[in-house]
Amino acid sequence: EPEVTQTPSHQVTQMGQEVILRCVPISNHLYFYWYRQILGQKVEFLVSFYNNEISEKSEIFDDQFSVERPDGSNFTLKIRSTKLEDSAMYFCASSRQVGNQPQHFGDGTRLSIL
Amino acid sequence: AQKITQTQPGMFVQEKEAVTLDCTYDTSDPSYGLFWYKQPSSGEMIFLIYQGSYDQQNATEGRYSLNFQKARKSANLVISASQLGDSAMYFCAMREPLRNNDMRFGAGTRLTVKP
Repeated sequence: EPEVTQTPSHQVTQMGQEVILRCVPISNHLYFYWYRQILGQKVEFLVSFYNNEISEKSEIFDDQFSVERPDGSNFTLKIRSTKLEDSAMYFCASSRQVGNQPQHFGDGTRLSIL
Repeated sequence: AQKITQTQPGMFVQEKEAVTLDCTYDTSDPSYGLFWYKQPSSGEMIFLIYQGSYDQQNATEGRYSLNFQKARKSANLVISASQLGDSAMYFCAMREPLRNNDMRFGAGTRLTVKP
């Protein structure tokens, strides 16, 4: 069964450094998402992406965040200057359509900021 | 206001028994979708089951079923014949496609299956 893949599984970065989290969505999916989950807390929406542009973003997704689909398969989340509070699990998800279609999640990237 | 409420931070169930995980939601939209995800200790998010607001019947998927009570705005997950591998966090989530594309998650319920 096709799945969303995320790399790396764990990223450790110094505060203030830039980090890029990578995702390969399911190949026939058109909608892509990033979520984050701070340890022990609920999953929070960051951004959705469709047709090569951001369709929605939450208040968490401020100017230090950006997303890109640099080629036909990868979908990346960049955090420009990381802060301690960016430490979390970051999930990429994709869906074939919007509406009431399930979003399929990757296994996540655990980001640790030192 | 919370869109999704899961009132049970932790639940215990004996192996082979059924368990119900509660979820209530808040929306005024006529069209919405309700989802349950399982998160084992390894961290991945596994889609389990989906219920659409217009669906006439409760969704079922193997040992998972969704007890959808629209008037009460509840969408409880029922796991039958619990297995040790069912021990995990379970998240209820909702999408309101008329408003946006994102999913709003509840705080989750940690289920522990006892042998």
